[in-house]
Amino acid sequence: SQKIEQNSEALNIQEGKTATLTCNYTNYSPAYLQWYRQDPGRGPVFLLLIRENEKEKRKERLKVTFDTTLKQSLFHITASQPADSATYLCALRFMDSNYQLIWGAGTKLIIKP
Amino acid sequence: SAVISQKPSRDICQRGTSLTIQCQVDSQVTMMFWYRQQPGQSLTLIATANQGSEATYESGFVIDKFPISRPNLTFSTLTVSNMSPEDSSIYLCSVGLAGVQSSYNEQFFGPGTRLTVL
Repeated sequence: SQKIEQNSEALNIQEGKTATLTCNYTNYSPAYLQWYRQDPGRGPVFLLLIRENEKEKRKERLKVTFDTTLKQSLFHITASQPADSATYLCALRFMDSNYQLIWGAGTKLIIKP
Repeated sequence: SAVISQKPSRDICQRGTSLTIQCQVDSQVTMMFWYRQQPGQSLTLIATANQGSEATYESGFVIDKFPISRPNLTFSTLTVSNMSPEDSSIYLCSVGLAGVQSSYNEQFFGPGTRLTVL
C-alpha cells in the first residue's frame, strides 16, 4: 500500500527565513499532490495542488516542487511570518483511487519572531 | 469553495453510548467524506457518502459501528455507535469540489468534532 512520510518533528524557523517541508511517498506516482494547512482545532485548508507532470507551482509566498524520480515534494514558505505557524499536511491522489486522497501525518511548523 | 459546519464541536460521552455528528454544507455537493484524526496522526478516511446511494466504507470501518445518512445534497450525519475510549478522536466532514486553480478536486473541511469517550 502507499505510504506518505512527513517529518514528525516540529520545524522551528526564524521569522523572515524560508521554511521548507518535505513529503515523501512510496510505490507508484500520484496523479497529483496537494498541500493543506491545519490550525489547532480546525479542519485542514487547501493551499496548493501540483500535478505529476508539473515541476513547480507558486502562489504568493508559497512554492511547491514535485520530483517523481525522488518520489518527493518540497513545500517552501518564503519570508516566513509567525502567522504561518501551523501543521502542514500533504495529500496524494493516485491513479487507481476513486477520488480518495492519501494523507501524510503533517509537520508542525513554528515561526519564531 | 464550500463552507461546512459541524455539530457538535465537541462532546464527552460515556462508554457504550452513541453520538451523531451532523455536517451541513452551504452548497449542493455529490461526494462527502468522513474522516477521523487522532492527535499527531494523519487523516483516516472512514467512508464516502454519496447522495442516493449507500456509503462506501474503508477497510477497518463498518456500517454497524459508523452508520451514515445522506438524505440530500447538503447534509450528512455520522453516528459513532457503542463507543469505547478508542473512539476518542476528531471527526471531520469534508467535500470534494473542483477548485479555482484547476479542475481537480480540492477538499474542503468542516471544523471537526472533538469526541472524548470515558
